[in-house]
Parts: sequence; C-alpha cells; structure tokens
Amino acid sequence: GNSVTQMEGPVTLSEEAFLTINCTYTATGYPSLFWYVQYPGEGLQLLLKATKADDKGSNKGFEATYRKETTSFHLEKGSVQVSDSAVYFCALSSGNTPLVFGKGTRLSVIA
Amino acid sequence: DAMVIQNPRYQVTQFGKPVTLSCSQTLNHNVMYWYQQKSSQAPKLLFHYYDKDFNNEADTPDNFQSRRPNTSFCFLDIRSPGLGDAAMYLCATSRGRGRETQYFGPGTRLLVL
Repeated sequence: GNSVTQMEGPVTLSEEAFLTINCTYTATGYPSLFWYVQYPGEGLQLLLKATKADDKGSNKGFEATYRKETTSFHLEKGSVQVSDSAVYFCALSSGNTPLVFGKGTRLSVIA
Repeated sequence: DAMVIQNPRYQVTQFGKPVTLSCSQTLNHNVMYWYQQKSSQAPKLLFHYYDKDFNNEADTPDNFQSRRPNTSFCFLDIRSPGLGDAAMYLCATSRGRGRETQYFGPGTRLLVL
C-alpha cells in the first residue's frame, strides 16, 4: 500500500537558518506529492506540490523536488522566519485512493 | 475568493448529545471529505462524497454520519459524542479523486464535556 515517512520532530531552528524536512514515500503507480502546512489552531494549507518525476514545487521560499529514483520529496527553505513555525505534513495521492499523510513535523523558529 | 468554510470554528457539546458540524464550499468541487485530527497527529479520513456517492472508511465508527444535500454543503453528524471524539474536524474538497489537490477548511474544534 501507499505510505509516507517523514522525519520526526520537533525541529527547532534559529531565524535565518536553513531548513530541511525529509520525506520518503512508497506508492503504487505514479503519485502526486504534496506538502501541507498547519499553523496553530488552523486547518491545513497547501504549501506546494509536484505531479511527476523531477518536478520542483515552490512557494513562499519553500521548495521540494519529486525524486523518483530515491522516492523522496524533501522540503527545503534557505532562510526560515519565526512566522514559519508550524506543523508540516508530507502527503501523496495515487490512483483513486485518498491522501496519505506523513505523521507531521513540528517546526519552531526562534528569533 | 473561492474557499472552504466551516462553521462553527469551536463547538462545545455534552457527552451523548448529538452534534452537527457544517462545511460549505464555493469551489464547485465534486469531492468533499471529512477528517478527524487529534492533537499532534495527522488527519484521519472518516469518509468522503464523490458527488452524491458516499464512501465510508472501514474503521470509521457508526457514531459518525454524513450528509451532502447539494454540491456546496456537507454535514458531519456525531450521534452520541464520547469524550474520545473531542478533536479538530477538518473538511476538504477536491475537483476529483486520486491525484487531485485537496483544499482544506479552517476546521471545527469539538469539545465534549
């Protein structure tokens, strides 16, 4: 079956540090890959997505590249801000199956 | 802006007292989903509607029901809430199933006293 594994948190970084949150997946067929962000007390917001191998999704300074050879979709940002503090979920969808989420990674950025 | 709206944002109910959460969308999407999310966990899919076709997840308790009277609205009914049902409930929509992007509402936080 489909599954997503992402690095356990929490991750604590200083402002302007480089961020990487690892995400790997197992899927049948050709999944679409997503990163969602959840700020405290709110719903999930789509951060970025990629639908085929070698696609790079980007938004608000965050990037992730769909790597089929390593079945990965790692999230990166060159310089984090306090406002980036949130929980980040990696997810995939494939065929007609619903979204499969990773367990989430809590990021705290301190000034 | 097109969006997914959930009301209320916070709901308090009593143990065993039925409660209904609502979701509406202006995206004109075919699929609507309900998720349960407990603290520090990933959302758990309860069920979804593809148009009028209802799809229940195998492990969703019978205590949870849903209605979709039209394309824009979907309701989550909890017939007899227990303390374990306290959670954030998220509604989401997508244009189709499969590899489509899901768009989430802000959620309703349910407290059971």
